Amino acid sequence: DADVTQTPRNRITKTGKRIMLECSQTKGHDRMYWYRQDPGLGLRLIYYSFDVKDINKGEISDGYSVSRQAQAKFSLSLESAIPNQTALYFCATSDFGGGRNEQFFGPGTRLTVL
Amino acid sequence: QQQVKQSPQSLIVQKGGISIINCAYENTAFDYFPWYQQFPGKGPALLIAIRPDVSEKKEGRFTISFNKSAKQFSLHIMDSQPGDSATYFCAASMEWGNNDMRFGAGTRLTVKP
Repeated sequence: DADVTQTPRNRITKTGKRIMLECSQTKGHDRMYWYRQDPGLGLRLIYYSFDVKDINKGEISDGYSVSRQAQAKFSLSLESAIPNQTALYFCATSDFGGGRNEQFFGPGTRLTVL
Repeated sequence: QQQVKQSPQSLIVQKGGISIINCAYENTAFDYFPWYQQFPGKGPALLIAIRPDVSEKKEGRFTISFNKSAKQFSLHIMDSQPGDSATYFCAASMEWGNNDMRFGAGTRLTVKP
């Protein structure tokens, strides 16, 4: 969905390096999420934010940090990358309430940690 | 441990057949159960969702069946088409989706022409 963009789309880095993944949205949604996808494990929530001042840990937050710079921007950082953080990372957004409570996902960032 | 268990991991169906994917959950506080569809190279997209006050929801060829007492729900794809070939994820959350979402492991569906 072009309304949710992620940069970079692919990244290869080395163990111990700091890396930041960025997410921007033009949907005007208050809520933003970071997930990682691993084969056989589905999607797991890392962090979520209901507004600029509200950050919540998800199921697997250890080793990650986030920053909500503005309503439209939500960044995920790996302070010291390790190989088991190799995964496909997705950002998503949603609007509060509404009938479908739909989350809109970005195209993903494929991260490889060597 | 995974709070939402999904099966099968992969499924092959002939064109025109019925595809059935099953999910089971443990947390009785879950009250919102969506299914997401993901094509290769794309992010997941919401396909259909149900709340536990109904036992079935249908949208076109896609139907969710929900069994609250068994803590199970399933996706049925009628008249499956090659274009339905994708990975399907069930999920569950509390507060009607206004809370963190727990996803199943995914089912890779292949519909053969």
